[in-house]
Amino acid sequence: GQNIDQPTEMTATEGAIVQINCTYQTSGFNGLFWYQQHAGEAPTFLSYNVLDGLEEKGRFSSFLSRSKGYSYLLLKELQMKDSASYLCAVSPPGGSYIPTFGRGTSLIVHP
Amino acid sequence: EAQVTQNPRYLITVTGKKLTVTCSQNMNHEYMSWYRQDPGLGLRQIYYSMNVEVTDKGDVPEGYKVSRKEKRNFPLILESPSPNQTSLYFCASSSGGPGSYNEQFFGPGTRLTVL
Repeated sequence: GQNIDQPTEMTATEGAIVQINCTYQTSGFNGLFWYQQHAGEAPTFLSYNVLDGLEEKGRFSSFLSRSKGYSYLLLKELQMKDSASYLCAVSPPGGSYIPTFGRGTSLIVHP
Repeated sequence: EAQVTQNPRYLITVTGKKLTVTCSQNMNHEYMSWYRQDPGLGLRQIYYSMNVEVTDKGDVPEGYKVSRKEKRNFPLILESPSPNQTSLYFCASSSGGPGSYNEQFFGPGTRLTVL
């Protein structure tokens, strides 16, 4: 089975940096996704990590440590529009197609 | 425009009245799946399909059926809806399973209420 843990809610100030952590325990692992979901809308893809290390994409970066079962999403220069839920999802090994999503972290950005 | 569409977007129905939620994608994706999203529980997969006529159960398949007769369409069928199926439903598609670098594209969601 797979178990994914994320904080339920976080708050931060506009212009600041925030780090959203995700830990996982899985019977198999092939990579980790981060998605952003605004209230009432569909999730949209942010990043995918398969190798250890940091992947940077503009204001957003994602880090993975496979040995520790740990990932984080780093958001810099926060904007009000970054207020959303951030979903961590573990990609299963090849042959299976049942991605497991964490329950999501609700990020509130205030002025 | 590449997209996943779902219909209806909102539906209120009564217990036991069969319903179908349609899903269609125009990206020629092989993989499609259905999720439900409930407060505090996150996204949970109901069914998935790896290609035409190939479907399999996800984590919460009870009370649902699917079919994949054409590559672009993947309808979700509730033969006898019950109140515990009140939820927000998302259809998603991707060009490959998530065992590879293949992001999922999600539809806009269908908010279903079963009275």
